Amino acid sequence: DGGITQSPKYLFRKEGQNVTLSCEQNLNHDAMYWYRQDPGQGLRLIYYSQIVNDFQKGDIAEGYSVSREKKESFPLTVTSAQKNPTAFYLCASKLMNTEAFFGQGTRLTVV
Amino acid sequence: DQQVKQNSPSLSVQEGRISILNCDYTNSMFDYFLWYKKYPAEGPTFLISISSIKDKNEDGRFTVFLNKSAKHLSLHIVPSQPGDSAVYFCAARGYGGSQGNLIFGKGTKLSVKP
Repeated sequence: DGGITQSPKYLFRKEGQNVTLSCEQNLNHDAMYWYRQDPGQGLRLIYYSQIVNDFQKGDIAEGYSVSREKKESFPLTVTSAQKNPTAFYLCASKLMNTEAFFGQGTRLTVV
Repeated sequence: DQQVKQNSPSLSVQEGRISILNCDYTNSMFDYFLWYKKYPAEGPTFLISISSIKDKNEDGRFTVFLNKSAKHLSLHIVPSQPGDSAVYFCAARGYGGSQGNLIFGKGTKLSVKP
């Protein structure tokens, strides 16, 4: 079954720690995206990658980093520089002129 | 500056009646619009889309209308069902350097009461 998988579903981070959220897709999509959802804020774009080994900052990239070494994978690292990391994180993938397919999300909580 | 706006945070409708969710956009260069539905703690799922060369697209109970001159689109759900209760996001597809990227509104939470 083709799809996009995010892991873990729930993640807890201590203050000052870096954590990495996984996103894998087997849809053969070129583009992949990371969004953050906060209550009342909609979906805000963190980073995106339209091709392997290339990625671009979105609207709220500060405190985050990504890599795109393989077409199937687009991990997001939430660094200690991100001052308010508690949120619901969504990964998506798409072909250029199609709708985006989303993973089930990762809920990150700072403890 | 918000390019895609959903000005109603919530909407409550009786089962069987029509639900109308609205979305406004500011950039006339947008040429493709989408609606997504999202349940709590899940990823959004694609619902319906419309190209700027059309003014209406229909899929079962869901119809999207586009008014380019007003930079406005709406999603109609008829008849509404309790299972339609979710947050609905309007999105526009970017262009140029951001071609393919989706720009989302803040969402409207729809509650359909039995």
